[in-house]
Amino acid sequence: SQQGEEDPQALSIQEGENATMNCSYKTSINNLQWYRQNSGRGLVHLILIRSNEREKHSGRLRVTLDTSKKSSSLLITASRAADTASYFCATDFQGGSEKLVFGKGTKLTVNP
Amino acid sequence: NAGVMQNPRHLVRRRGQEARLRCSPMKGHSHVYWYRQLPEEGLKFMVYLQKENIIDESGMPKERFSAEFPKEGPSILRIQQVVRGDSAAYFCASSPLPGISNYGYTFGSGTRLTVV
Repeated sequence: SQQGEEDPQALSIQEGENATMNCSYKTSINNLQWYRQNSGRGLVHLILIRSNEREKHSGRLRVTLDTSKKSSSLLITASRAADTASYFCATDFQGGSEKLVFGKGTKLTVNP
Repeated sequence: NAGVMQNPRHLVRRRGQEARLRCSPMKGHSHVYWYRQLPEEGLKFMVYLQKENIIDESGMPKERFSAEFPKEGPSILRIQQVVRGDSAAYFCASSPLPGISNYGYTFGSGTRLTVV
């Protein structure tokens, strides 16, 4: 299985702190994406990083990709209570179809 | 543009009944993907359809599950003779083209199926 795995499974921080979540995968990929899911809701696409990119920024989000280690990290800076959600990485692997393979997610709680 | 619309939001079925889940993709999107999410799990790919064609159904159970995306109307995921293990959230995503753009996939809010 080339399922992505997020680490940690759960993270609790105070508002204003930074949150870092990690994702590892097993096979070569074309792209890696991060999604957010609020409790009981659908997924919202946050950011996509391609296999030839090493770092990408979007607002308070910073994503890194290390293809040699088959890992990615998502950093949320200056967290807010509204960032409380589950965060999933998803990969589409080289030679595969368009399907995404999701990890189990990191449940982030930002305490006010 | 209303985004990807799924209905119903919640569906309760007794064991042995049929469940029909609907997904209307975003306007102009002809590619639809269905995923299933069990409690405390990530999403698992089920099936990828293009208008009137099933492109990849490698994630769909061989029995009781079927999917279609007719020329007119929404995509339908159909589960016959539901069992308790089918209880999950079912999400649909759509895209205008095959492959993934810089904007990722647009997901609907899901249908939460409970089998009692």
